[in-house]
Amino acid sequence: DQQVKQNSPSLSVQEGRISILNCDYTNSMFDYFLWYKKYPAEGPTFLISISSIKDKNEDGRFTVFLNKSAKHLSLHIVPSQPGDSAVYFCAASNGGKSGGTSYGKLTFGQGTILTVHP
Amino acid sequence: DSGVTQTPKHLITATGQRVTLRCSPRSGDLSVYWYQQSLDQGLQFLIQYYNGEERAKGNILERFSAQQFPDLHSELNLSSLELGDSALYFCASSRVGELFFGEGSRLTVL
Repeated sequence: DQQVKQNSPSLSVQEGRISILNCDYTNSMFDYFLWYKKYPAEGPTFLISISSIKDKNEDGRFTVFLNKSAKHLSLHIVPSQPGDSAVYFCAASNGGKSGGTSYGKLTFGQGTILTVHP
Repeated sequence: DSGVTQTPKHLITATGQRVTLRCSPRSGDLSVYWYQQSLDQGLQFLIQYYNGEERAKGNILERFSAQQFPDLHSELNLSSLELGDSALYFCASSRVGELFFGEGSRLTVL
């Protein structure tokens, strides 16, 4: 039972353009969503997060949008840079940002390989 | 550098064997999480420890066990290994906020 799905295994984008990575979830109890970036031979690193009480969160070139009714979130990277090339994982939890025993018990999607061409 | 240290980075062993993966969390972090990433899969939550006590459990096999020691480092023990246990095993720690992951231990079972 895949509760978090990233349906696009890969995405190729030209430098300077927008990258849009998508994620769908099925568990309506999820209340906190995160994006992680992973380079080869490294562990995932936190990128940006959003609480279910918001529909948008911005951090520099990265913006996450949450559509609760559609159980869908997306990560926008503008402008895309070659250094952004990595695997991006969407993750969700029902423990909020810092409370509850469920925090840290993240459910991850399968990942999307983003390639940004110079 | 996330501050989370995992050893060994690579491990090759045979079916039926037992291995131990070690994790040192970031200084001051009380929680340790273990995740498994199999080929072409997302990370699967295995187990969480908080200050020495088991806090949450995911789909961890009975052949797997973990513990967190008084110095807060954690070990994941995998026994009676099968080919399907070949995967990347990540440890993460947190205080408040996002998880910080180690570089992972790649286990290959032949």
